[in-house]
Amino acid sequence: DVKVTQSSRYLVKRTGEKVFLECVQDMDHENMFWYRQDPGLGLRLIYFSYDVKMKEKGDIPEGYSVSREKKERFSLILESASTNQTSMYLCASPGKRVGNTEAFFGQGTRLTVV
Amino acid sequence: AQRVTQPEKLLSVFKGAPVELKCNYSYSGSPELFWYVQYSRQRLQLLLRHISRESIKGFTADLNKGETSFHLKKPFAQEEDSAMYYCALQGGSEKLVFGKGTKLTVNP
Repeated sequence: DVKVTQSSRYLVKRTGEKVFLECVQDMDHENMFWYRQDPGLGLRLIYFSYDVKMKEKGDIPEGYSVSREKKERFSLILESASTNQTSMYLCASPGKRVGNTEAFFGQGTRLTVV
Repeated sequence: AQRVTQPEKLLSVFKGAPVELKCNYSYSGSPELFWYVQYSRQRLQLLLRHISRESIKGFTADLNKGETSFHLKKPFAQEEDSAMYYCALQGGSEKLVFGKGTKLTVNP
């Protein structure tokens, strides 16, 4: 019944490393989102994609990029990881049709940058 | 711009008491509004959406366009309602934004 899967549950990376977070959905949805979740700050939108090869900046895109080469996969890239990117990262995929816009979330990736 | 405000970070009530989690939004068009919930060590999941006008686990939420609010209510809180609750808004651009969340604790 799993609909959205994130490749790693926990990651520890060094400052300056390039980091890839992967997300796969099996619902054939066009939309996919990346958020970071921090205590007291809620979910903040980093990037989203509404179709293959299409992307839009969210509210906090600095230091991140994304890739959507296939409909089912949406990757978040930290070009040069920094300690302030230590966080829980959540991938989500909502439907588009009216009445079917529920967003399904991955289990999250807890990234620690040391 | 889309914005969701949840004024309470923490809310604590006793079992059987009514509970109301506040949500206000800012959006110039007609948004779709949601409440999502995250129980301890579980994924975020949809609780309810304004379009459905349904009651889930005893919770209801009414969209008040005049006050730009979408408060979540339950007349009698249960201990299993303890969780993190997020209000969310989706606008015409399909951008889905969330509030900062309210941690609800229901005490026995």
